[in-house]
Amino acid sequence: DIQMIQSPSSLSASVGDRVTITCRTSQSIKTYLNWYQQKRGEAPKLLIYATYSLPRGVPSRFSGSGSGTDFTLTISSLQLEDFATYYCQQTFSTPPWYIFGQGTRLEIK
Amino acid sequence: EAQLEESGGGLVQPGRSLRLSCAASGFVFSSHEMSWVRQAPGKGLEWVAYISETGSPVRYADSAEGRFTISRDNAKNSLFLQMHDLRGEDTAVYYCAREKEVTGDFDLWGPGTLVTVSS
Repeated sequence: DIQMIQSPSSLSASVGDRVTITCRTSQSIKTYLNWYQQKRGEAPKLLIYATYSLPRGVPSRFSGSGSGTDFTLTISSLQLEDFATYYCQQTFSTPPWYIFGQGTRLEIK
Repeated sequence: EAQLEESGGGLVQPGRSLRLSCAASGFVFSSHEMSWVRQAPGKGLEWVAYISETGSPVRYADSAEGRFTISRDNAKNSLFLQMHDLRGEDTAVYYCAREKEVTGDFDLWGPGTLVTVSS
């Protein structure tokens, strides 16, 4: 089974900072890696799909990179509304199917 | 506007059963694979179950295998999760999520329904 490690588990940063969150898998998932943003009390929201692609309406300060086993979510200049929890997810076609990373809680410094 | 709305959550005793529903609107429900995802209080996201556009195949997380059954009624634009032998560790907010073709990401989520398993 594929294992996923997301790091860090929490992160403190300031408005305007550049932030990077990583996700590593135990075997190649090509580019079947997605990122979600979840604000307190809300449902998750798709942030980046297929490693690089932004859904309509997601600001361009969010970007994704990687392939195979190592992936990165970058926020180029943090805004107040970006303080939330972020999850990676693999959707490569193998058990345990659609597992999520452990989450990264992004807090205001 | 595409929407998902879960219902059926509540307080249930350990060992009992519960059936969750998810009503879809604003898109062609029968064209999308669907999943249930849950989140225990203060914890991360856990994928629970998947169903194809036609109802077969289905897939389950190990934690759901044998106790939960995912199903759908395309004529009624509805998704279901039948849960049996509920345990305290099943306490969570349960979300239904729409899967996008090809890339498999979950591009639409409902607001969730809370299931509390307690005596």
